[in-house]
Formats: sequence, C-alpha cells, structure tokens
Amino acid sequence: LAKTTQPISMDSYEGQEVNITCSHNNIATNDYITWYQQFPSQGPRFIIQGYKTKVTNEVASLFIPADRKSSTLSLPRVSLSDTAVYYCLVGDMYSSASKIIFGSGTRLSIRP
Amino acid sequence: GAGVSQTPSNKVTEKGKYVELRCDPISGHTALYWYRQSLGQGPEFLIYFQGTGAADDSGLPNDRFFAVRPEGSVSTLKIQRTERGDSAVYLCASSLKGQGTEQFFGPGTRLTVL
Repeated sequence: LAKTTQPISMDSYEGQEVNITCSHNNIATNDYITWYQQFPSQGPRFIIQGYKTKVTNEVASLFIPADRKSSTLSLPRVSLSDTAVYYCLVGDMYSSASKIIFGSGTRLSIRP
Repeated sequence: GAGVSQTPSNKVTEKGKYVELRCDPISGHTALYWYRQSLGQGPEFLIYFQGTGAADDSGLPNDRFFAVRPEGSVSTLKIQRTERGDSAVYLCASSLKGQGTEQFFGPGTRLTVL
C-alpha cells in the first residue's frame, strides 16, 4: 500500500515556477500517480495524472523519474489563485478505490 | 448542472440522531465515491460504488455508517446514532468508469454533531 510524503507547506510569489515533490517509496507496478488541488470550502479538483516519465497539460507538468519513487508537480508562473492545498496520491489502476490515500497535502501560499 | 451536487450543504444535528446525506453524480458516471474530510486533513475514503453495488466499503468506520445507490445514480450516505466525532465535511465524487479515471468532486456537506 503506497504511502505518500509531501511538504506540509510552501510559499512562493506570483510569476514564479513552483515545484512540489512527493515521495512514494513503496509504489507498486500497477500504481499511477495523481495530483489534486483543493480550495477552501470546495471539493478537490483533478490536476494531472501520470505513470512514468513526464506528463504535461494546460495547467501543470508532472515529472516522474525512472524508479517512480517520487514525483514532482510543476506549476508554471503561479498566480494568487493558485493558493490552495495540493494532494499527491497513488492508486492501483486495477484494484479497489480504498488503496487511494490522499494524505495531508501541501498548503501552497502565493504572495504578490 | 453539469457537476456533482450534494445536499444539504450544511447539516447540524444532535448527538444520537440519524442523518442522511445525498449525492447527485454527473450523469453517466458509473463510479461514485464517498469521502470524509476533517479540518486540516486530506479526504479519507469511505465507500466506492460501481453501478448499484458497493465495490468496496472497507473505509466505513463502523456499522453506524451505511450508503446506498439503488438505481446506479443518486447515492445516500446514512449515519445512525451520530457522535460528535462524526463532525466533518462529507465529500462525494464520481468518475466515468472507476479506477484510473479522474474523479469529480462535489462541494461537500458539512456535518456538525452537537
């Protein structure tokens, strides 16, 4: 059962690139990596998902090294509206949902 | 609307009472999940439905918690004999197929047990 470890909090400034790294040393072969974003009083929102190497979409990039024991969410040119909690989670693509564990997340604060 | 909706948005009840929380998933989504989120913590998995059946209910904390999805769409989370420790935000999510697919979350129901 893969468990993730993320920094509790991070601070940055508008216009900067922010990288949040997540450790998942016990990741299994069938596990994929997903990142969610959560604003206060809202449910989490999917950002990006990947299995290996690099994935990029319109809002973020996800870097996964060959050993897959960690992953890095990269947010380019952040703005104040990117202030939120970011969750890294791993889940088995073929098994039940109970193996998906959110953890406590990283609280990202963006300053002007 | 196009998203997941949950009702009520807030529920205040007294210890020992029974409550029902409702989730309307996105139309066509076969998978539905319930989570519980306490202040400062990430969502904690409770139960997962694939269609009408509970594919995994291993996250339900005890037998006071029960959930149904009789027609494979709307789901109701039921909590009997509520306790103060049940106070949390209860989140519902749906996804198109289940495992490996993006989950779309509702805004949650904030339950307060006095």
